[in-house]
Amino acid sequence: GAGVSQSPSNKVTEKGKDVELRCDPISGHTALYWYRQSLGQGLEFLIYFQGNSAPDKSGLPSDRFSAERTGGSVSTLTIQRTQQEDSAVYLCASSLARTSGNTIYFGEGSWLTVV
Amino acid sequence: AQRVTQPEKLLSVFKGAPVELKCNYSYSGSPELFWYVQYSRQRLQLLLRHISRESIKGFTADLNKGETSFHLKKPFAQEEDSAMYYCALTNYGNKLVFGAGTILRVKS
Repeated sequence: GAGVSQSPSNKVTEKGKDVELRCDPISGHTALYWYRQSLGQGLEFLIYFQGNSAPDKSGLPSDRFSAERTGGSVSTLTIQRTQQEDSAVYLCASSLARTSGNTIYFGEGSWLTVV
Repeated sequence: AQRVTQPEKLLSVFKGAPVELKCNYSYSGSPELFWYVQYSRQRLQLLLRHISRESIKGFTADLNKGETSFHLKKPFAQEEDSAMYYCALTNYGNKLVFGAGTILRVKS
């Protein structure tokens, strides 16, 4: 595709429900990132996938958050038992390989609202 | 641990005035620094990186290892520069860590 694609673009869910956010990176990009963007918090790193290496999950805020990347391409970020503080824009990004020397391209984001 | 600090949440300047968006970082090694920009209703995109030593849209940024800073500067602000600006750091192959961002408003 032309760029990083994310779905859904907007999601409203009830507190306590599970949600899945999908990211389709640029073809051939081996590095994939998830970030959370919220007012006053800036861009918060969540998780980073690089090729076949074990993902860096150090940014996941709680065990309600998980992510997987199947076949080295599409990634899904899952939030279980959503809370109101999970409301934010979830951004996915990808790059060719390691960050250095390679531009990271961002998707348009998935706006999550927990009511 | 890697950390990026942008002390200003909002910077408001008049058109034609100089702009300096501050960024300080903490990292024990030799990091690579970036500035990303997000214009209204657009995706976050790379503005410039320190290793390129380039000027993009009139913006420049110099890495000062002594002061651990990577401030973004432009001599004459334009209205189209109004956006959210993020400073970011990576340690050559690892994750990209962002600051909290600074909103730049250029007034006519």
